[in-house]
Amino acid sequence: KAGVTQTPRYLIKTRGQQVTLSCSPISGHRSVSWYQQTPGQGLQFLFEYFSETQRNKGNFPGRFSGRQFSNSRSEMNVSTLELGDSALYLCASSSGLPNDEQFFGPGTRLTVL
Amino acid sequence: AQRVTQPEKLLSVFKGAPVELKCNYSYSGSPELFWYVQYSRQRLQLLLRHISRESIKGFTADLNKGETSFHLKKPFAQEEDSAMYYCALAGGTSYGKLTFGQGTILTVHP
Repeated sequence: KAGVTQTPRYLIKTRGQQVTLSCSPISGHRSVSWYQQTPGQGLQFLFEYFSETQRNKGNFPGRFSGRQFSNSRSEMNVSTLELGDSALYLCASSSGLPNDEQFFGPGTRLTVL
Repeated sequence: AQRVTQPEKLLSVFKGAPVELKCNYSYSGSPELFWYVQYSRQRLQLLLRHISRESIKGFTADLNKGETSFHLKKPFAQEEDSAMYYCALAGGTSYGKLTFGQGTILTVHP
């Protein structure tokens, strides 16, 4: 089975711009979760999508949004970028059953200048 | 609110020594606890979860609800165990959400 893939792997943006990150889950997985990883805050949950619906959401501002397509691929969007949005963004896929194992992608490294 | 605390940022041991990585949690319901590991230049992966009650790569972890702990143990550390270890909690029907501790970097010296 191919693992979770994320594109792009690296991004450099400037303040005020917007960015879209993509995640392709393991075949057959219908749930995709997104996390932000920073040295100061560690790994923080952004949101989770299942069957094209957001089922769960973390404590992030509305500038962070996401969506999921019918093939379970997911995108997350960050608008009006701030310096503090610089982070590694990880996605993880799972079957969608409660508390099931999550399989993580390699991450997208976003740098905001 | 749910919270996971890993009190040690860094832990160093010598090969063959026992190792214990500490994890304490705060959660009002019945939690699911996990240990994830990230080896150098690899992605985050599940090491073990408490409901499976199995030993993976010689590691075990017991959920102690009285002390709200889920410490990870291995009796004889190996150099290949050097990695970043994260304790994580999933609660109730909190779909897709893992609450992670800050992580512990384990270094096993030869």
